[in-house]
Amino acid sequence: AQSVSQHNHHVILSEAASLELGCNYSYGGTVNLFWYVQYPGQHLQLLLKYFSGDPLVKGIKGFEAEFIKSKFSFNLRKPSVQWSDTAEYFCAVNGWNTDKLIFGTGTRLQVFP
Amino acid sequence: GAGVSQSPSNKVTEKGKDVELRCDPISGHTALYWYRQSLGQGLEFLIYFQGNSAPDKSGLPSDRFSAERTGGSVSTLTIQRTQQEDSAVYLCASSLGQPHSGANVLTFGAGSRLTVL
Repeated sequence: AQSVSQHNHHVILSEAASLELGCNYSYGGTVNLFWYVQYPGQHLQLLLKYFSGDPLVKGIKGFEAEFIKSKFSFNLRKPSVQWSDTAEYFCAVNGWNTDKLIFGTGTRLQVFP
Repeated sequence: GAGVSQSPSNKVTEKGKDVELRCDPISGHTALYWYRQSLGQGLEFLIYFQGNSAPDKSGLPSDRFSAERTGGSVSTLTIQRTQQEDSAVYLCASSLGQPHSGANVLTFGAGSRLTVL
């Protein structure tokens, strides 16, 4: 069965600090990988996705993620965070031949000015 | 419609009562999902519908939970004999449902916040 682990539950950073949020998945086949973000008071929305090709994926607002197949990981990074990045971040995975999307437990990011 | 609509936005009920939560997906989206979001639990998969296929109910936590999707569009999630642990935000999402094309990006609704007293 698919599963997703996000080991960082709550991250607190100052503006301009670098960010890396961990995501590991468990699935015995080809996968699609996603990061979704939920800003305070807003709907969940897509941040970036990996489907195929270049394992380094760039998303909105300067975020990127790298798919490392050998480590079953899809970590999210941003070189310099801003206060407006305060949100909850969810990693998600679905198998290549299914629509069923499984999410991790989320990481709450707080950025202080 | 332009987005995924969910109703009610807030529901307060007494333990033991039944509740129905409604989701109106984006027109043309063949896949519809229900998730439950509670503190510390992240997004818990409940059920998903894809076109005319049998729904994947593997995430429903008990037989008190059921969902249907009429006419391939609107979906209703029903919770019978509600318990306090059912208190959460219930999120609906829809997608084009094309995993092979990379088009399977979910659009979420605002959620229905359920409080069971």
